[in-house]
Amino acid sequence: AQKVTQAQTEISVVEKEDVTLDCVYETRDTTYYLFWYKQPPSGELVFLIRRNSFDEQNEISGRYSWNFQKSTSSFNFTITASQVVDSAVYFCALSEWEAGNQGGKLIFGQGTELSVKP
Amino acid sequence: DTEVTQTPKHLVMGMTNKKSLKCEQHMGHRAMYWYKQKAKKPPELMFVYSYEKLSINESVPSRFSPECPNSSLLNLHLHALQPEDSALYLCASSQVAGGYGYTFGSGTRLTVV
Repeated sequence: AQKVTQAQTEISVVEKEDVTLDCVYETRDTTYYLFWYKQPPSGELVFLIRRNSFDEQNEISGRYSWNFQKSTSSFNFTITASQVVDSAVYFCALSEWEAGNQGGKLIFGQGTELSVKP
Repeated sequence: DTEVTQTPKHLVMGMTNKKSLKCEQHMGHRAMYWYKQKAKKPPELMFVYSYEKLSINESVPSRFSPECPNSSLLNLHLHALQPEDSALYLCASSQVAGGYGYTFGSGTRLTVV
């Protein structure tokens, strides 16, 4: 069965610090997709990134970067020079490719609550 | 249109009431989902519809009844709920294969009194 583990429940940093959010996943499939979502206090889930299991290239988008390593089943997320607006709960999620057109089950980790203090 | 719209945003209902949550998307997605999220917890999958047919029910109590009247609409009918059902209910949509990305609505915050 698929599983996503975010061992860090809460992280608190001071503005301009770099912070890395860890994500470890388990799946038996060779084809799967990994996601990061941000959930601010208002509640909506904001999509940040999607990676498929065949693409291990790291990605950088502004202050955000992602490190995908299949060898360790990890998909970590780094925020460089954090800002107060980055304060939110961040979820890592896994979706396995569903044969038979059933729709993909997106399974979330427990989330990491990031607090960035001025 | 790249949004999933959920109504109402807030709902307070008594344990004997019947109410419905609505979700709409116009992105041509043929998979739609209901998730339930309790405070300080991750979203938990409740139902998946694929091509307007229920494909996954995660053992949800029958007091929650989903309906997909067409490819753009998804409803969640609520009846005889309990206070512990109070939560944020999130709707999402995706292409059927699922891995191409999920778009979430902003949710309905439900309080059962």
